[in-house]
Amino acid sequence: AQKVTQAQTEISVVEKEDVTLDCVYETRDTTYYLFWYKQPPSGELVFLIRRNSFDEQNEISGRYSWNFQKSTSSFNFTITASQVVDSAVYFCALSGMNTGFQKLVFGTGTRLLVSP
Amino acid sequence: GAVVSQHPSRVICKSGTSVKIECRSLDFQATTMFWYRQFPKKSLMLMATSNEGSKATYEQGVEKDKFLINHASLTLSTLTVTSAHPEDSSFYICSARRLAGGSYEQYFGPGTRLTVT
Repeated sequence: AQKVTQAQTEISVVEKEDVTLDCVYETRDTTYYLFWYKQPPSGELVFLIRRNSFDEQNEISGRYSWNFQKSTSSFNFTITASQVVDSAVYFCALSGMNTGFQKLVFGTGTRLLVSP
Repeated sequence: GAVVSQHPSRVICKSGTSVKIECRSLDFQATTMFWYRQFPKKSLMLMATSNEGSKATYEQGVEKDKFLINHASLTLSTLTVTSAHPEDSSFYICSARRLAGGSYEQYFGPGTRLTVT
């Protein structure tokens, strides 16, 4: 079975603070993909990143960075110098080989509130 | 590229009526599309996988006679909520799968908010 856990239901920060969103996953697949999506109040899912299970290199994209650690089955997401526009619900998701990478299993999401 | 649209974006209907939601891949062909449901402040739950030219595959607990899915072409899948009831009120999101760079990517539509009164 596959499972994605986002233990933080809601995080509130003040603008310019750094914030890390946690994601822990479970899968028996040896090959899988991990994703992060942003869902602003409008509802549309915005793709942020996809990571292959064989690539443990951390990635940085502007103010966003991701830390993938297979040893702890975690794929954490950090926003540096947060801005009000970062306020949204963030979902971590997993897609495994046993479903032909067809199915995305989502975590429960973390609501990020960035206040001015 | 890789744009997925949904229509309508919002719909309000009376209990007992049926509602059809369209999902279109605008600039690519999608042999597989997916339908998700999201309750307020909850996660996305996969309802079914829609394959062009064949029957949809429903997830456990999803009533196929309640949620009719048709994938008539490589760019269009429809979800019909039959005899809708207030508990069907939800945010429905579709996604379309495209082969890109040797692997499949899923592109999400903007969602349809259904309210059943």
